[in-house]
Order: sequence, then structure tokens, then C-alpha cells
Amino acid sequence: KNEVEQSPQNLTAQEGEFITINCSYSVGISALHWLQQHPGGGIVSLFMLSSGKKKHGRLIATINIQEKHSSLHITASHPRDSAVYICAVSHKGAQKLVFGQGTRLTINP
Amino acid sequence: DSGVTQTPKHLITATGQRVTLRCSPRSGDLSVYWYQQSLDQGLQFLIQYYNGEERAKGNILERFSAQQFPDLHSELNLSSLELGDSALYFCASSPGLLNEQFFGPGTRLTVL
Repeated sequence: KNEVEQSPQNLTAQEGEFITINCSYSVGISALHWLQQHPGGGIVSLFMLSSGKKKHGRLIATINIQEKHSSLHITASHPRDSAVYICAVSHKGAQKLVFGQGTRLTINP
Repeated sequence: DSGVTQTPKHLITATGQRVTLRCSPRSGDLSVYWYQQSLDQGLQFLIQYYNGEERAKGNILERFSAQQFPDLHSELNLSSLELGDSALYFCASSPGLLNEQFFGPGTRLTVL
């Protein structure tokens, strides 16, 4: 079992739909990161969070430390949101990131 | 644009060769991280430097080495290249040790 598990692996939705991507992890962490990887390969950091909830535009990230679970939500999804979304965790006392396998999101117009 | 630069963007070389990948962190960032992304393994952490010193090591092969220079740029050296080393290599930087990381555009290495 991977240390960081994401679901679903693939998600296809229509423009305007509310999207949820889930991430579960198995060890104590200092922070959880959500990353977006565009089809061209570039990686953008969306959120880094260690508790509660963060919002940036149409993106919302939440984390439940007790349940070792995080969700990334996209409201009013748009075709330009199509990308691979990657969850990563940094262990307590360590700086390296451990990555999930990613969720490939496709938003159709 | 994250402010992290990587060169070259693409690199095609042959098995057995040695290559050097270069990374310049964002202005003011002291930490540099190297990651490998291959089709079968996904993203994996290789190594981290902080202000010139190695801070953390991941699944980095002995054929690979890295360093961070006084001007804070970093180089990843890959030697005795094998077909399986073909991958995207990303560099990321952060201000300190436990901050959000900003990724460079990556170097796509193809070993023929």
C-alpha cells in the first residue's frame, strides 16, 4: 500500500460541475501539498496546509489530521482545469515530499 | 512562472554518458530539491540542499550526485546513464526548510 493514496485515479466531468479529489495518507505529517501538473509537464503548487481549510479562487483544500485525509475541491469547473492533480506529504521533521500517484482530471466543454 | 529556472529543457544522450542538469532557485530561496518523474515510478524525491549543505536524501542512485553552490544554484550530475534514467527531472526551491515549494519547468532526459 502506498503511503499516499489518491482517488479517483481518473475523473471526467462536464464544465460547471463541482469536483472533489481525495487524498489519504498513513503517517504523521508536518504538511500536505496539492500540486497541479499541466499537460506540458510543468508543476504548480496550489496549496500547502497543515490544518483546516484554504481557499484560492475556485479551489478549496481541506485537511482532517485525525482521519489523515485531505480533499481538493474545484467549484464551477472549466476545461482549463484539466490537468493532473497530485497530493504530496512532508513527514514530521523531514523536508522531502512523498507523492501520490495523481488524479487525471478532464473537464469537457 | 515560478521563478525557478532549469537548463536544459531537453537532453538526449546515449547510455553510458554523463550529463549535468542545472537549477537556479527563486531569489532569496535557500532550499533546493531535486525530483525525478518517470512513467512507471511517478514523482520521487532525490535530494535536498539547504544553503549549500545536503539536508535530506531520498532514493538517489549512487551514479547520481548533486551539489549546491555558494550562489545557491544547484547541479544534478547523472553518470553511467541507463535507459531507465529517462525521465523528467524537476528542481524546486523554498525559502527555508518547511515551506511551500516552487517548481521549475523540468528537464526532460532521454537516454537512447
